[in-house]
Amino acid sequence: AQSVTQLDSQVPVFEEAPVELRCNYSSSVSVYLFWYVQYPNQGLQLLLKYLSGSTLVKGINGFEAEFNKSQTSFHLRKPSVHISDTAEYFCAVSGANDYKLSFGAGTTVTVRA
Amino acid sequence: DAGVIQSPRHEVTEMGQEVTLRCKPISGHDYLFWYRQTMMRGLELLIYFNNNVPIDDSGMPEDRFSAKMPNASFSTLKIQPSEPRDSAVYFCASTPVGSTDTQYFGPGTRLTVL
Repeated sequence: AQSVTQLDSQVPVFEEAPVELRCNYSSSVSVYLFWYVQYPNQGLQLLLKYLSGSTLVKGINGFEAEFNKSQTSFHLRKPSVHISDTAEYFCAVSGANDYKLSFGAGTTVTVRA
Repeated sequence: DAGVIQSPRHEVTEMGQEVTLRCKPISGHDYLFWYRQTMMRGLELLIYFNNNVPIDDSGMPEDRFSAKMPNASFSTLKIQPSEPRDSAVYFCASTPVGSTDTQYFGPGTRLTVL
């Protein structure tokens, strides 16, 4: 089975500052890794995913993440955040070709002017 | 495409009542997932279907919960009888044919059991 730990429950950040959200995973098999965003009162939306290949993955809205197999990490970054990036962010993992997603507890990002 | 559709968006009921949550997946998607989100337990997978057949229901918390998918465009999650601890947001998600990765989530149903 796979599991995910998101190391920060809340991240306050000023507008136009960079942000990094940390995610570590545990698995005995090859994995797929995902970051989802949840805006208030909405469903989850995929930001980006790592399936294989290049370890640097670019997603929507200027986000990117780097897969580090030796560190079992998949940290999410954005060089300059906007007020509209205020949301909850979830890291998730599945076994390769496995449909079952395991989510982390989420990180709440609050962007202030 | 309209995306995954869930109804109702909000449901308030009293303990002991039957609750039915509905989901319409994206047309052409052959996997359907039901999740529950609570503050205490986060996002949990309850059950998922492939081509209308339940594949894994190991996340269903107890016998009070049941899920069906009578056809490719409709699924229900039923709680009978409901209890206050069932209060949560329930999400439905679907995945396209031939894909094992991206799940598309609906907006969720916020259930409150008094």
